[in-house]
Amino acid sequence: QKEVEQDPGPLSVPEGAIVSLNCTYSNSAFQYFMWYRQYSRKGPELLMYTYSSGNKEDGRFTAQVDKSSKYISLFIRDSQPSDSATYLCAMNLEPPGNQFYFGTGTSLTVIP
Amino acid sequence: DTAVSQTPKYLVTQMGNDKSIKCEQNLGHDTMYWYKQDSKKFLKIMFSYNNKELIINETVPNRFSPKSPDKAHLNLHINSLELGDSAVYFCASSQDPPGTSGAYEQYFGPGTRLTVT
Repeated sequence: QKEVEQDPGPLSVPEGAIVSLNCTYSNSAFQYFMWYRQYSRKGPELLMYTYSSGNKEDGRFTAQVDKSSKYISLFIRDSQPSDSATYLCAMNLEPPGNQFYFGTGTSLTVIP
Repeated sequence: DTAVSQTPKYLVTQMGNDKSIKCEQNLGHDTMYWYKQDSKKFLKIMFSYNNKELIINETVPNRFSPKSPDKAHLNLHINSLELGDSAVYFCASSQDPPGTSGAYEQYFGPGTRLTVT
C-alpha cells in the first residue's frame, strides 16, 4: 500500500464548476501537506501548503486537512480552462525532512 | 533567470548507452533532488543531496549515479540504459534548514523526457 493515495481520474468538469480533489494517507506523522499543479510537459509547481489540520484559502483555491481521517482536499471554485492540469498532493513529516511523499496525481480538464 | 534548469529537455537513445542529465538551481538552496515520473504521473524520489552530500538514496539500480560538483548543481549519470528507464526525470531543490518558505516547498525543473529504444 502506498503511503499517499490519490484518485488518478481523469476528471472533466464544465467551466465555472467547483472541483474537489482528494488524497488519503496512512502515516499519521505527516504534518505538512502540499498541493502541486503540473501542466502538460512541465514540472510541478507548488500551489498551496498547509501545516497540520485546518483550512487555507488562496483566491479560488482552498486546501483542507482532516488529520483525524487522514484525508486532504483541494477545492477549486469557479474553475477555468487554465486550471486544466494534473494536481499532485505531497506530504512531509514533522520536523520536515528531505523526503516528500507524493500522490499519483489527478488529471483535471475544465471544458469551456 | 530560470530557478531550476535541466538539460537536455529531450533525450532519445538506444539500450546499452550511457547518458547524463544536468541540473542547476540559482535559488541558493541547500538541497537538491532527482525524481522519476512514470507514464502514470507517479513521482518517485531517487536521490537527495544536501550541500553536496548524499542524504537520500532510494532503491534505484546502481546504474544511476548522481554527482554534485557544488551545491547549485546535481547531475544524473545513467549507465547501460534499459527500456524501463524511459520516463521523465525531474530535478528539484528546496531550502534547508527552513527559511521563510519552509523546507516543505520544492521547486522543480522542467523535466527531461528520456526515451530508450
